[in-house]
Amino acid sequence: GAVVSQHPSWVICKSGTSVKIECRSLDFQATTMFWYRQFPKQSLMLMATSNEGSKATYEQGVEKDKFLINHASLTLSTLTVTSAHPEDSSFYICSAIGQDPVSSYNSPLHFGNGTRLTVT
Amino acid sequence: GESVGLHLPTLSVQEGDNSIINCAYSNSASDYFIWYKQESGKGPQFIIDIRSNMDKRQGQRVTVLLNKTVKHLSLQIAATQPGDSAVYFCAENKGTSGTYKYIFGTGTRLKVLA
Repeated sequence: GAVVSQHPSWVICKSGTSVKIECRSLDFQATTMFWYRQFPKQSLMLMATSNEGSKATYEQGVEKDKFLINHASLTLSTLTVTSAHPEDSSFYICSAIGQDPVSSYNSPLHFGNGTRLTVT
Repeated sequence: GESVGLHLPTLSVQEGDNSIINCAYSNSASDYFIWYKQESGKGPQFIIDIRSNMDKRQGQRVTVLLNKTVKHLSLQIAATQPGDSAVYFCAENKGTSGTYKYIFGTGTRLKVLA
């Protein structure tokens, strides 16, 4: 159980274009999804927290107009990298947590397999 | 974003030996901790968790120890196998009630030597 699917697993795009990454919870309903970014040989950096039906909460230093997050349903969140530039090239990982906020407060995050974005 | 942007330290262990991976966490108010394993090109995989009202928890071949006094967490892997080679991250839950903001540590690369 608790499977999170992320798509695409890799994408190459040209500078100036936008890229959408999807994150789906396959066998549970996720009220909250998290988007992380990871540079090579480094840890995961939290970008934003996405709650179903409301605006995402972005971490300090993360441009919300650059990284658009939509969490339209309990099983789907999307991250759109707008006007991508080579410095946006990275590994983007989503994670999700179950529906009950009380029991889910202390629950492990379930991660997708990440999306490798390369901007040329 | 919150994280530590340092390059990963590496732990090399002989196959069959025990491994101990350490993590220092930042917030004394954190009350939930998780160890994740990440293989190359994949997302993190849950290994074991522990709540702050415990100081030890055991799973299959893995044990997590929590020392709240010094804000230290460790992961012990018994009889390390080649398949254990990966990067290991600890994560702490820094949220207040109703929020669940998970912050990841630097990570440690475990290399299992045949």
